[in-house]
Amino acid sequence: DSGVTQTPKHLITATGQRVTLRCSPRSGDLSVYWYQQSLDQGLQFLIQYYNGEERAKGNILERFSAQQFPDLHSELNLSSLELGDSALYFCASSPGTNKNIQYFGAGTRLSVL
Amino acid sequence: ILNVEQSPQSLHVQEGDSTNFTCSFPSSNFYALHWYRWETAKSPEALFVMTLNGDEKKKGRISATLNTKEGYSYLYIKGSQPEDSATYLCAFQGAQKLVFGQGTRLTINP
Repeated sequence: DSGVTQTPKHLITATGQRVTLRCSPRSGDLSVYWYQQSLDQGLQFLIQYYNGEERAKGNILERFSAQQFPDLHSELNLSSLELGDSALYFCASSPGTNKNIQYFGAGTRLSVL
Repeated sequence: ILNVEQSPQSLHVQEGDSTNFTCSFPSSNFYALHWYRWETAKSPEALFVMTLNGDEKKKGRISATLNTKEGYSYLYIKGSQPEDSATYLCAFQGAQKLVFGQGTRLTINP
């Protein structure tokens, strides 16, 4: 158990809908990262938050947004969902911003039908 | 576009044999190189974070080396065991992003 909690484990929804994925980092970790893993792709970095502030942005679509709350949990919001958004979404946390090991949650599997 | 390449894509090794695989990454704007182990139906588990040219890290039978000047890292597994079967991912950390390679899928044959 990495100490990073992601909910829900599975999510099934329809195209055009909006969903929220939640991540609670390890106790004491200030950074939260979001990744997407599609069937035909490796892990794609989406976005990083550090202590409530956006720190780095990767290949995140404009339909997606994220935030980190004062208690350090983070949410990833996916809107106007398309079939191609079906993927495994991982959250990871680390103590700081750079050069730290990242601890991954178990992931949320999103299926868009 | 940052390119992180891992080779080979997949590897079958006999139990007890040693093996190694490669991660190639850009040699500029280097912050760190991460290695992760990812078993099927689980989440990636960190093995090493390496930051300095010439770094060598070891964890049990697994070790890694880093050459930031030429942009490569090797992961070595000594005396492979069935539980080593997994996908091994490397990730290049540049100015603010972590870019993952596609992974090397290792299968240990008993």
